[in-house]
Amino acid sequence: GAVVSQHPSRVICKSGTSVKIECRSLDFQATTMFWYRQFPKKSLMLMATSNEGSKATYEQGVEKDKFLINHASLTLSTLTVTSAHPEDSSFYICSARDTGGFQETQYFGPGTRLLVL
Amino acid sequence: TQLLEQSPQFLSIQEGENLTVYCNSSSVFSSLQWYRQEPGEGPVLLVTVVTGGEVKKLKRLTFQFGDARKDSSLHITAAQTGDTGLYLCAGAQGGNQFYFGTGTSLTVIP
Repeated sequence: GAVVSQHPSRVICKSGTSVKIECRSLDFQATTMFWYRQFPKKSLMLMATSNEGSKATYEQGVEKDKFLINHASLTLSTLTVTSAHPEDSSFYICSARDTGGFQETQYFGPGTRLLVL
Repeated sequence: TQLLEQSPQFLSIQEGENLTVYCNSSSVFSSLQWYRQEPGEGPVLLVTVVTGGEVKKLKRLTFQFGDARKDSSLHITAAQTGDTGLYLCAGAQGGNQFYFGTGTSLTVIP
């Protein structure tokens, strides 16, 4: 149980284009999902908290107009990197909390490697 | 400012050796999780500890939550090459407040 998927796993795009990353909880409902960014051999950096049916809460320094988050259902959250630039290249990971389980445990997706040329 | 500090940051040991990773904070957490992450993959949950002083064992891994719920440790006995990875602790303070540790990169040499 508690499986989270991400799609795509890897994406290469041209500078200036937008990229959408999907995060799905496969066998549980998640009212809250989180989006992280990670640099090599570093810890996770929280970008935003996504709440089903409401606006996401962004961490300080994260541009909400650049990283659009939509949490339209209890099993799906999307992160759209708009007008991507090479400095946006990174490993993006989502996580979800099981609404019906212990609320303080997060389950992570496998991550999405974004490379902007 | 990082709320949770892990030490050591990097660790390289021979197969068969024992090791301990520490996760320290001056803040109190309602629960603490440990994750292991391999390159190119998402973190995988190893354990959740909730009660101060709690000890949990997962095969060769022993996790302890400090009595005051401010710190935790992960001890690995007889390390194997499969233990190689990035170990992350994460503390929760209720609601949506989660804080990740700085991470410990472990390499087990055959």
